[in-house]
Formats: sequence, structure tokens, C-alpha cells
Amino acid sequence: DQQVKQNSPSLSVQEGRISILNCDYTNSMFDYFLWYKKYPAEGPTFLISISSIKDKNEDGRFTVFLNKSAKHLSLHIVPSQPGDSAVYFCAASANSNYQLIWGAGTKLIIKP
Amino acid sequence: DVKVTQSSRYLVKRTGEKVFLECVQDMDHENMFWYRQDPGLGLRLIYFSYDVKMKEKGDIPEGYSVSREKKERFSLILESASTNQTSMYLCATGSGRRNEQFFGPGTRLTVL
Repeated sequence: DQQVKQNSPSLSVQEGRISILNCDYTNSMFDYFLWYKKYPAEGPTFLISISSIKDKNEDGRFTVFLNKSAKHLSLHIVPSQPGDSAVYFCAASANSNYQLIWGAGTKLIIKP
Repeated sequence: DVKVTQSSRYLVKRTGEKVFLECVQDMDHENMFWYRQDPGLGLRLIYFSYDVKMKEKGDIPEGYSVSREKKERFSLILESASTNQTSMYLCATGSGRRNEQFFGPGTRLTVL
């Protein structure tokens, strides 16, 4: 039973436009959410996070939105750049649990 | 900067061999994790450790064991490698309640 779902395996976006990656979760105990970016043959790197007490967090070109009632979060990248082409993972944690629960990832392709 | 290193980037082993994957971190983090990443399945937790000599099973511990004799080092052992253990193995570390995780570069293991 997947507690964190990324329903789009891939997404293709024109350079300069907005990329929107989506993530849904089922566990209402999750209170912290993270986005990671992964290039081939490298480990994931942390991108941005959001606590459940907020509904938006922004860092440069990256913004994460959280809709608790819908159990949905999204990552917006604007403007999209070729270097943003990667696999993006959504992850969630609950309270003081050490573990992160991961989505399956979305492959973002930025077209020139 | 957190540095997480893994003993090998690429490894080819034969069915039945014993395989050791080692992970070393230099940031004094309490928590260490072993994941495997497979296409369409995201990151799946094999084992984690929150202290020296402590270990906890993750979601898919079967066929694996771990060792943490020193704080900075966390080893993953495949007692008898099988072809279905061909995968990308990722080590991560974390510290603190929010447990943002920092990843090594990964080991691509192929079992023939």
C-alpha cells in the first residue's frame, strides 16, 4: 500500500516554462514533506521541504505547495532550465519517526 | 558539507556470492540508512540504524543483513546474492528529528 504516490512517471516541459510535479499521500500523520532531485548514477540530493503548519515554501525557482485537506503537494519550478532534467522524488515523515516514506519518482525532461 | 561515500560505484557478482557494500559518513550523524532503487518503485528501505550496534528492519530486509560497529560506518551484506538483488543501492545519513537525509553516490550492483 503506497502511502506516497507520484502518479506521473514522466513529464516533458519546454525550457523557460513552468514545471509542476505532483505528489499525493494517504497518511494523515505525515507532518513533514521533502522533495529530492536525482541525476542518473548519482544519489538523490535534497531540494526543498515543507512542514505541515505551512502551505507554501519558496526557494529561488522552486516552490512547494501543500494542501492538507486534499493530502496533496506540488513542486513548481519556474522558469524550467535544461539542468532541471532529472528524476524528482517526493518523501514524507511522521512526527519523530526516523524514516522517510518515498514516492516512486517523476522523470522531468526539459526540452530546449 | 556532508560527505557520504560508498565503497564501489559499480559491482558485478555471481549468484551465491557474499557481497559487502560499505558506507562511510564524515558528519557524525546518528542515523544511517540503506535503500535500493528500482525503476517505477522509488526508494525502498532495506535497513536503518540510529546508533552504533543498533539496527532496524526496513520494508524489504529479506536476503540482507547490516553491521554498524562504528558511528561513521554502515555496511550492507548480501549473504548469498541472487539475480533479483540486481539494483542500485543507496546509503544515506541523517540527524535530528526532521531527518533530512544525505545520500552517497550509489552502488550499481549486477548479480549474474
